[in-house]
Amino acid sequence: AAGVIQSPRHLIKEKRETATLKCYPIPRHDTVYWYQQGPGQDPQFLISFYEKMQSDKGSIPDRFSAQQFSDYHSELNMSSLELGDSALYFCASSRIRDRTNNEQFFGPGTRLTVL
Amino acid sequence: AQSVTQLDSQVPVFEEAPVELRCNYSSSVSVYLFWYVQYPNQGLQLLLKYLSGSTLVKGINGFEAEFNKSQTSFHLRKPSVHISDTAEYFCAVTLPLGGFKTIFGAGTRLFVKA
Repeated sequence: AAGVIQSPRHLIKEKRETATLKCYPIPRHDTVYWYQQGPGQDPQFLISFYEKMQSDKGSIPDRFSAQQFSDYHSELNMSSLELGDSALYFCASSRIRDRTNNEQFFGPGTRLTVL
Repeated sequence: AQSVTQLDSQVPVFEEAPVELRCNYSSSVSVYLFWYVQYPNQGLQLLLKYLSGSTLVKGINGFEAEFNKSQTSFHLRKPSVHISDTAEYFCAVTLPLGGFKTIFGAGTRLFVKA
């Protein structure tokens, strides 16, 4: 079965640079979630989108923005990168349009390293 | 609001011994419950999930968990662990409907010793 795809899998950037992470949900899924997992930490919710509209917002820095496109893929844009942004970024997707269950499926993650 | 508490940050155990990783949750409404395993420098792998039905859930790698509604617990168990089970284990909850986020516990580091 198709899974959530994230790209790139690894990304190395320098301080003050920008980064764009991409997430491709499972086909027919309409909701995308982004999570950040710092070293030795549990994943923390950043933001989610349903039908291309932001549906919930967590601890996402103002330097970060995200959107969901018409094909339901999502991009997380990160500017003015800081050393503390180094983390594993997970995307998850679910389908809630027809009130099926909200089970979320996680992608493999993008490991961002800021030097 | 929902929350998840993993009662042990680290659990050392000898190989072939049984293990239980404890998880309690707090919610005023029904939730879905999950256990994920994360090996070093890897992503999250779903071990098992409770959505509804039987309270005893069997997952991959010989793990199982029991949903106890009265005690709001979802403890993970394995009768005999292997060295390869050494990893970080996360308990998580989400609401069944509405697109709500997943809330994770702080994680339990399982360390299996020879």
